[in-house]
Amino acid sequence: GQQLNQSPQSMFIQEGEDVSMNCTSSSIFNTWLWYKQDPGEGPVLLIALYKAGELTSNGRLTAQFGITRKDSFLNISASIPSDVGIYFCAGRDSNYQLIWGAGTKLIIKP
Amino acid sequence: DARVTQTPRHKVTEMGQEVTMRCQPILGHNTVFWYRQTMMQGLELLAYFRNRAPLDDSGMPKDRFSAEMPDATLATLKIQPSEPRDSAVYFCASGPPGVGNQPQHFGDGTRLSIL
Repeated sequence: GQQLNQSPQSMFIQEGEDVSMNCTSSSIFNTWLWYKQDPGEGPVLLIALYKAGELTSNGRLTAQFGITRKDSFLNISASIPSDVGIYFCAGRDSNYQLIWGAGTKLIIKP
Repeated sequence: DARVTQTPRHKVTEMGQEVTMRCQPILGHNTVFWYRQTMMQGLELLAYFRNRAPLDDSGMPKDRFSAEMPDATLATLKIQPSEPRDSAVYFCASGPPGVGNQPQHFGDGTRLSIL
């Protein structure tokens, strides 16, 4: 079956640092979605990408749809305490199946 | 902002009991998804509906789980009989009509504990 590898699994960062995480797939996707989940809540959509090469920003967040259509990354610039949470990528294949990454847990060091 | 509404938010019950979880999708959305989230397995798709018709429930244990959409504003997920291994957070998500690339929007989940 299709696999989607999300890395890193977790990140410990200092407030103010930039953050980068990525997802890679064994197959081509038509859509990449990035979600954030806070404790006790459901995932919330951050950015949706629909074209290879597309680069989209949402405030301090920037995500790109890889040119090979098999990967995507999410960057967070100048992290702040409220950025903590779990970030999920999800890719949609040609059958419109949505495949989820295992998540990247972001922790800010005190 | 419109949100998917799930009830109850928390449920604790003894094994063997029937559990019913409810979801109100965002008005105008025609696709509904049920997910289960655990630490070990992450987000697992259990079932999804389009225009109230079940399209895929291959991720759902058929012997004890059932999912229905009695009308466009209500989706239900039932477990009967419940077992301790069913303990998890169950999320409902809905998506707008479109060519199939539309993102899903999640509710805040039902945290289920089976004793």
